[in-house]
Amino acid sequence: DAKTTQPPSMDCAEGRAANLPCNHSTISGNEYVYWYRQIHSQGPQYIIHGLKNNETNEMASLIITEDRKSSTLILPHATLRDTAVYYCIVRPPSNTGNQFYFGTGTSLTVIP
Amino acid sequence: GAGVSQSPRYKVTKRGQDVALRCDPISGHVSLYWYRQALGQGPEFLTYFNYEAQQDKSGLPNDRFSAERPEGSISTLTIQRTEQRDSAMYRCASSLESSGGYEQYFGPGTRLTVT
Repeated sequence: DAKTTQPPSMDCAEGRAANLPCNHSTISGNEYVYWYRQIHSQGPQYIIHGLKNNETNEMASLIITEDRKSSTLILPHATLRDTAVYYCIVRPPSNTGNQFYFGTGTSLTVIP
Repeated sequence: GAGVSQSPRYKVTKRGQDVALRCDPISGHVSLYWYRQALGQGPEFLTYFNYEAQQDKSGLPNDRFSAERPEGSISTLTIQRTEQRDSAMYRCASSLESSGGYEQYFGPGTRLTVT
């Protein structure tokens, strides 16, 4: 099971912020939240990850709620090249395996 | 540096034949993962290795599927007696370590078609 829930699709206007939500209500205290995206048939591309604190890098920001039951990926200024399927993944603790369960993700369409 | 590479990129085989899919991870990466992806779905975990040791093979669908990484670098996923339902994109990923917050880097995949 993916252990995460995401809306199947979203639209965002070019230049605006894209806010992609993810619910992970059964997350445990030592599990990370990862975000990947997949453009067309390319391999998934890492975006960002976090444990408890909010994180920011050159691609995006990750906001994790205080109870860690949900998170939001923010693309601050969406471009047409950000059109992709975005996957929110809860990573099991390392001592039980490190596989990622991807689910079906959110298909983001950036509109000109 | 070079990323994860996979070969062949495309493989068409007849039902009943065996196929071997190869993954060459990023140099120095300890962990290697195999996934299968059907159209419109996210990647589905198959198995993973730390160095040459297969740590988890719980995602392998049945005993026709096997994987090895004998020297802790290149890995081969073998499917015996292929069936049409095995048709999918097979993806390999590697990460520097298997613990905590290390991201996985994915290869371009091998598109397998069983006719």
